[in-house]
Amino acid sequence: DAGVIQSPRHEVTEMGQEVTLRCKPISGHDYLFWYRQTMMRGLELLIYFNNNVPIDDSGMPEDRFSAKMPNASFSTLKIQPSEPRDSAVYFCASSLTSGGRETQYFGPGTRLLVL
Amino acid sequence: AQSVSQHNHHVILSEAASLELGCNYSYGGTVNLFWYVQYPGQHLQLLLKYFSGDPLVKGIKGFEAEFIKSKFSFNLRKPSVQWSDTAEYFCAVSTGRRALTFGSGTRLQVQP
Repeated sequence: DAGVIQSPRHEVTEMGQEVTLRCKPISGHDYLFWYRQTMMRGLELLIYFNNNVPIDDSGMPEDRFSAKMPNASFSTLKIQPSEPRDSAVYFCASSLTSGGRETQYFGPGTRLLVL
Repeated sequence: AQSVSQHNHHVILSEAASLELGCNYSYGGTVNLFWYVQYPGQHLQLLLKYFSGDPLVKGIKGFEAEFIKSKFSFNLRKPSVQWSDTAEYFCAVSTGRRALTFGSGTRLQVQP
C-alpha cells in the first residue's frame, strides 16, 4: 500500500492567497484526520471525517479554513485568505474502524510557508 | 477533554544509554495509547500502541512502553539507544472520539 499521500509537500505563498492542501487516505480507511504542527502549539487536530462526513471541526481555527471530502479517496484543506500565522506543517492521517482499536497512519505532511 | 503531558522536552543521551520518556494523560475512561516518532524532516511513524491486555507493549526498533493505569502513565523505554534514535517522540491518546490528542513531544538527541 502506498500509505497516506499528501500534496504538495512544500508550499510557499504570499499573504492573502488561497492555499489548497490535498490528501489521499489509505485505500479502505473510513476515517480521515487533518492535523497541524507548529512550534508554539505542537500537534493539534483541525477536523476529522468518517465516511466522508465531517464529524468534528472544532479545531478549525476560523472561517478562513475549510475542509472537504468529496469521496472516500480524496480530501482537501483550504485556507482563504492565507496569513503568515498559518505557516505550519499540515498532516493528514487515516484509520480504519476496528471496534475502538483504530490506529492512525500519517502522511508525509505539507510544509506551508506564508510570507 | 483529555490532555497529555510529556514532561521531558529535551533529552540528551550517549549511545548505549538507557532511555525512559515520561507520558501522563488525564482522562477517566478507557483510553488507547500510542507513541509516535518523528525523525528530522519526516512524518510521524507509529512506534507502538496499547489498547488492552498486557500493560507492557513492545514496538519496533527495540522500544517498549508500560501502561500503569493507577498512575495514568504510559512511559516509553529502550534499554540501549543508538545515534539513529535521534528524533522527536510523541505520546498520544484516543478515546471514543477517535481523534488523537498529542503531548508536546520530547526531543531526543543521542550523541555518538
